[in-house]
Amino acid sequence: SQKIEQNSEALNIQEGKTATLTCNYTNYSPAYLQWYRQDPGRGPVFLLLIRENEKEKRKERLKVTFDTTLKQSLFHITASQPADSATYLCALDGGGSYIPTFGRGTSLIVHP
Amino acid sequence: GAVVSQHPSRVICKSGTSVKIECRSLDFQATTMFWYRQFPKQSLMLMATSNEGSKATYEQGVEKDKFLINHASLTLSTLTVTSAHPEDSSFYICSAMRGADNEQYFGPGTRLTVT
Repeated sequence: SQKIEQNSEALNIQEGKTATLTCNYTNYSPAYLQWYRQDPGRGPVFLLLIRENEKEKRKERLKVTFDTTLKQSLFHITASQPADSATYLCALDGGGSYIPTFGRGTSLIVHP
Repeated sequence: GAVVSQHPSRVICKSGTSVKIECRSLDFQATTMFWYRQFPKQSLMLMATSNEGSKATYEQGVEKDKFLINHASLTLSTLTVTSAHPEDSSFYICSAMRGADNEQYFGPGTRLTVT
C-alpha cells in the first residue's frame, strides 16, 4: 500500500538557520507533491507544489526539491524565524486519484 | 487567495445528540469539497468527498449513516454527526479543491467535544 513518511520528532532550530524537513514515500509514483503548513487548531494552508518532472521549486524563503529516484522531497526554509514554527505536511496525489494523500506532518520549532 | 470558512469553530454537545458543521467557499464555487478528521499529532484522515447535487463518496470504514453529508449548493457543504458519542470527539476540517494544481483550500476546522 502507499505510504508517506515524515519525521514524527519535532525539529528544533535556531532563528536565522535553514530548516530542512523530509518527506519520503513508498509504493508511489506521484505526479506531484504538495507542502502545507498547519498551525495548532487550524486547517492546513497550501504552500507549494512540485511536479515529478521538476527538481526544485522556490517561493520566497521556501525551497522544495523532489527526487523521484530516492522517492523523497526536501522542504527548506531559509533564514528561519520564530513565526515559521508550525507543523508542515506533505501530500502526494492519490496515484490516479485527484485527491491528495497527506503525511502526518513534522513540527518545526524555531527558537529566538 | 481562496477562502473557505467553517462554522462553528468549537462545539460541545452531549452524547446522543446531533451536530451540524457548515463549510462554505466564500469567493469561489466548489463542486467538490472534502471532509477530514484529525486526531492530535496525527495525519488528516479523509472521511468523504462531497459532490454538489449528488451523494457523497465515503472512505472505507466511515459510516455514512452516522456522518451525513449534504452539498446543497456550489458554496456550501454540511457534515452532520448523528447520535454523537465521546469517541467522535475530534477536529473536523473541510476543504475545497481549486486550480490546475489541485491545491486544497482548507477551512479553519471545527473542534467537536462530545461529553
